[in-house]
Amino acid sequence: EPEVTQTPSHQVTQMGQEVILRCVPISNHLYFYWYRQILGQKVEFLVSFYNNEISEKSEIFDDQFSVERPDGSNFTLKIRSTKLEDSAMYFCASSPLKGGRNQPQHFGDGTRLSIL
Amino acid sequence: AQKITQTQPGMFVQEKEAVTLDCTYDTSDPSYGLFWYKQPSSGEMIFLIYQGSYDQQNATEGRYSLNFQKARKSANLVISASQLGDSAMYFCAMRPQGNTGNQFYFGTGTSLTVIP
Repeated sequence: EPEVTQTPSHQVTQMGQEVILRCVPISNHLYFYWYRQILGQKVEFLVSFYNNEISEKSEIFDDQFSVERPDGSNFTLKIRSTKLEDSAMYFCASSPLKGGRNQPQHFGDGTRLSIL
Repeated sequence: AQKITQTQPGMFVQEKEAVTLDCTYDTSDPSYGLFWYKQPSSGEMIFLIYQGSYDQQNATEGRYSLNFQKARKSANLVISASQLGDSAMYFCAMRPQGNTGNQFYFGTGTSLTVIP
């Protein structure tokens, strides 16, 4: 069964450094997402991406964050200047169709980001 | 505003027994989807079951069923014949049909422990 893959599984970065989290969504999916989960807390929406542009973003997704689909398969999340509070598990997800309330989002295994 | 509430931070169940995990939601959107995800200790998010707001029947997927009570705005997950491998965090999520970003709203989760 096709799956969303994320790399790396764990990223340790010094505060103030840039970090890029990578995701390969399921190949025929059209909608892509990033979520984050601070340790012990709920999963929070960051951004959704469709047709090569941001569809929606949350308050968390400020100017330090950006997303990109540099080629036909990868979907990246960049944090320009990391802060301690960016430490979290970051999940990439994808879904096949725009809209369609019954479409589950398929999640990757996550990247655990630790900011020192 | 969209809100998902899971009031049980932790639940215990005896192996082979059934357990109900509570979820209530709030949305002004007349059309929405409700989802449950399982998050084992390894961290990945696994889709379990979906219920549409206009579905007449409660959803079932193997040992998982969803007790959907629309008037009460509740979507409780029922796991029958619990197994040790069911020990995990369980998240309820909602996607309103009207949101342009297609994002999910998650609850805070319930930690389920299956006792042998």
